[in-house]
Amino acid sequence: NAGVTQNPKFQVLKTGQSMTLQCAQDMNHNSMYWYRQDPGMGLRLIYYSASEGTTDKGEVPNGYNVSRLNKREFSLRLESAAPSQTSVYFCASSEVTGPYEQYFGPGTRLTVT
Amino acid sequence: GQQLNQSPQSMFIQEGEDVSMNCTSSSIFNTWLWYKQDPGEGPVLLIALYKAGELTSNGRLTAQFGITRKDSFLNISASIPSDVGIYFCAGTASGGSYIPTFGRGTSLIVHP
Repeated sequence: NAGVTQNPKFQVLKTGQSMTLQCAQDMNHNSMYWYRQDPGMGLRLIYYSASEGTTDKGEVPNGYNVSRLNKREFSLRLESAAPSQTSVYFCASSEVTGPYEQYFGPGTRLTVT
Repeated sequence: GQQLNQSPQSMFIQEGEDVSMNCTSSSIFNTWLWYKQDPGEGPVLLIALYKAGELTSNGRLTAQFGITRKDSFLNISASIPSDVGIYFCAGTASGGSYIPTFGRGTSLIVHP
């Protein structure tokens, strides 16, 4: 039982390049989330998916797209990376109906130069 | 959106000392969660609280759901070096989204 897994763990991109961050969970959770973490800013929600087939914007969605591929997998895509997207990205999952406890992956550390 | 104020922002303590941190919200919450993030890792859930006045322990950690439902507290007793990390509070507002709002975190450094 691996919980929430993320790939890659580290990535360096040049401005304008694209990439997809992968996330998978094996806890049979309905909801999945993408957050970014910047120093002193806590965790900010980018996008979430309440269930397979649905996605919604969070607090900071600009510059990102997501795909809920199936119940297990939720990917985050940067179409044209910008230096402002340098951050640590966390995927999380939870049940919708409560308890609302979220379980996090180990993170992807992204640097855009 | 919901506002969570977490304090202090950082703490530098000696091993063996007790630690207290808290979170306050601008509205009534029905769930409070406390997470710890080790350096280079993702946040891990420590304690979940679901009822006003609830006091829950997990080893040396104790958390309380404030009776006003607008605050929560986390205490760590007899700190040890492995307590180092960032502690986040999070909560869901009464009548609001099921998605937790996170505080900005308390960074804890423990000197041996």
